[in-house]
Amino acid sequence: GEDVEQSLFLSVREGDSSVINCTYTDSSSTYLYWYKQEPGAGLQLLTYIFSNMDMKQDQRLTVLLNKKDKHLSLRIADTQTGDSAIYFCAESITGDKLIFGTGTRLQVFP
Amino acid sequence: GAVVSQHPSWVICKSGTSVKIECRSLDFQATTMFWYRQFPKQSLMLMATSNEGSKATYEQGVEKDKFLINHASLTLSTLTVTSAHPEDSSFYICSARMGQGYEKLFFGSGTQLSVL
Repeated sequence: GEDVEQSLFLSVREGDSSVINCTYTDSSSTYLYWYKQEPGAGLQLLTYIFSNMDMKQDQRLTVLLNKKDKHLSLRIADTQTGDSAIYFCAESITGDKLIFGTGTRLQVFP
Repeated sequence: GAVVSQHPSWVICKSGTSVKIECRSLDFQATTMFWYRQFPKQSLMLMATSNEGSKATYEQGVEKDKFLINHASLTLSTLTVTSAHPEDSSFYICSARMGQGYEKLFFGSGTQLSVL
């Protein structure tokens, strides 16, 4: 079945790197996404990766995909207080449906 | 970037009344809009897919008579929660897709519904 899992919380010191992990079960995923949700706001697409790629870098963000283990991670370099939010991974599968993970709340402290 | 406006941002209603939530794409035409429901500390659950000019496609377990979706134009979709009950209290989020591909999916800011 379709299931996307993430750890619920992550706390990091400002300036350190954050790594948010995600595991999924559907091997027919075509794209995998990372979204950011700030309090009281909708989801904002941060980045996405095609399923035949291993890595994608976009400024402070690095996405790693291990298709064999069905593991996706988002690394945020030089984490800032403005990065505090909930981060959702999501996969799109055949049938044109987007499945979201449970979200990881990232808290950045000075 | 593309903007999706969702209104109201929060609403409190009495049990048994109906509530309408609007989702508008302000600067693009959206042939497809999606409605999600989010419980505290849980993920977004897709409720239905709304295509302009046709009936919405509901996910399994979502009551179509309870959650009425109308997508009358390329920029507006509405979700009406009919005869609301306390268990319908939740955060509802809409999204609108500009063209094909989920990288072109833009989200509204959500509506917090509280049913007393």
